Amino acid sequence: QVHLVQSGAEVKKPGASFKVSCKASGYRFTSYAIHWVRQAPGQRLEWMGWINAANDNTDYSHKFKGRVTITRDTSANTVNIELRRLRSEDTGIYYCAFGGTAYSNPFDPWGQGTLVSVSS
Amino acid sequence: QTVVTQETSFSVSPGGTVTLTCGLSSGSVSTSHFPSWYQQTPGQPPRTLIYTTDTRSSGVPDRFSGSILGNKAALTITGAQADDESDYYCLLYMGSGIWVFGGGTKLTVL
Repeated sequence: QVHLVQSGAEVKKPGASFKVSCKASGYRFTSYAIHWVRQAPGQRLEWMGWINAANDNTDYSHKFKGRVTITRDTSANTVNIELRRLRSEDTGIYYCAFGGTAYSNPFDPWGQGTLVSVSS
Repeated sequence: QTVVTQETSFSVSPGGTVTLTCGLSSGSVSTSHFPSWYQQTPGQPPRTLIYTTDTRSSGVPDRFSGSILGNKAALTITGAQADDESDYYCLLYMGSGIWVFGGGTKLTVL
C-alpha cells in the first residue's frame, strides 16, 4: 500500500528558498510518478509539477517554471521540491501525491501536507 | 493559457441531486483529458472520488458518478448527504506532461 510522508513545517523570509521532502513507501520507488500541489490559505489547489521516477523527467506549471525544481533521492525513497525567490504569496500547504504510471492515473494517495509560511 | 472552470458554489437539499461541472475557457473537455474529481474538507488533503471520467475510486459511494456532459466533465451526487458538504475540485490532463486543477466548487447541503 502506497504511503507518503512529508517533512515538517517551514518558516521562510521573502527571497529565500525552501525544500520539502516526500518519503514514499509501499511500492517500487523508481517506477512511478510523484506530483506536487500547492494550496494557499482559503484558495484552490494548484498543480506545480511532477517527476517521473522511472526516468527523472520533470514537467512544471508555467506559473512556477524557473523557480521550482523537483528531484528524487532513490537511496532515501524521497522526492523533494525546492521553491526559490519566495514571496508572501507562496505561503500555503504543499502536498505531494502519488501519480502511478500513466497520465490517466489519479493523484492518490496524498501526503499529509507541509505548511510553508513566508513572512518578513 | 487555458483555464479550467468550475462553479464557485452550489447548494443542494439533503436527498437531492446535484451536478457539478468542469469546463475549459477554450475548447471542450473530453475523455482524453482524463478528468478526475477530488473532495476536500477543511484541514485535510484531497480525497479522490472519480478518475478517468467515470471510474469511482475505491471506497467511494455509488451516489457519486462522473461523466462528460456536452463539452464539460461532470460530477453528479445523487441523494446528497450532510457530509457531502465539501469543496470539490476537478483535475484535467492538458497534454505534454501538464495538469491543471479547476477553481473548485463549494457545495452546501441544506
